[in-house]
Amino acid sequence: AQSVTQPDIHITVSEGASLELRCNYSYGATPYLFWYVQSPGQGLQLLLKYFSGDTLVQGIKGFEAEFKRSQSSFNLRKPSVHWSDAAEYFCAVGAASSASKIIFGSGTRLSIRP
Amino acid sequence: DGGITQSPKYLFRKEGQNVTLSCEQNLNHDAMYWYRQDPGQGLRLIYYSQIVNDFQKGDIAEGYSVSREKKESFPLTVTSAQKNPTAFYLCASRDPGTGGPLHFGNGTRLTVT
Repeated sequence: AQSVTQPDIHITVSEGASLELRCNYSYGATPYLFWYVQSPGQGLQLLLKYFSGDTLVQGIKGFEAEFKRSQSSFNLRKPSVHWSDAAEYFCAVGAASSASKIIFGSGTRLSIRP
Repeated sequence: DGGITQSPKYLFRKEGQNVTLSCEQNLNHDAMYWYRQDPGQGLRLIYYSQIVNDFQKGDIAEGYSVSREKKESFPLTVTSAQKNPTAFYLCASRDPGTGGPLHFGNGTRLTVT
């Protein structure tokens, strides 16, 4: 079965500290992986995506993620968080085909401690 | 600017009434999607459409219906058969051809009392 697990429901980090949000997936085919961010009451904005090539991908707002096939993981990282990073973060998986379903994890809410 | 427009942003209905949520895109995307978002449950897929006049059920299609008469438009009807319709609804579209990330609208918050 296809699924995405984000084990951390809520994380609080201090401003300026490093961040890692975890994502594990189960997918039968070659996965196409995404991280999205959502501010309250808004739609989702793409942070980064991975399909092939270099397993460390860079995204917007200083985020990066590393694809580890052996661990079925695609964790999101940022070296130094800013107060404006407080939001909900979603990991998602699908196939490259335009027609495929995209499955989302349940999200991780990030709070920033001043 | 290209994008996805969902309207209205807030919608209130009485129980037992059908209600239709609008989603329009000018990105020339073939594929369009409807997701439902509830606190702590992430996004759950309701319906998706690959091309005009074609659509497939997602994981929670019961109590919902869609149509895809035009490439630009993918309206979602929440029927009276949907037991818990109060939620945040997100529409998205996806790049044509080899695929790509979903592009999202800003959502419609539906409250049914």
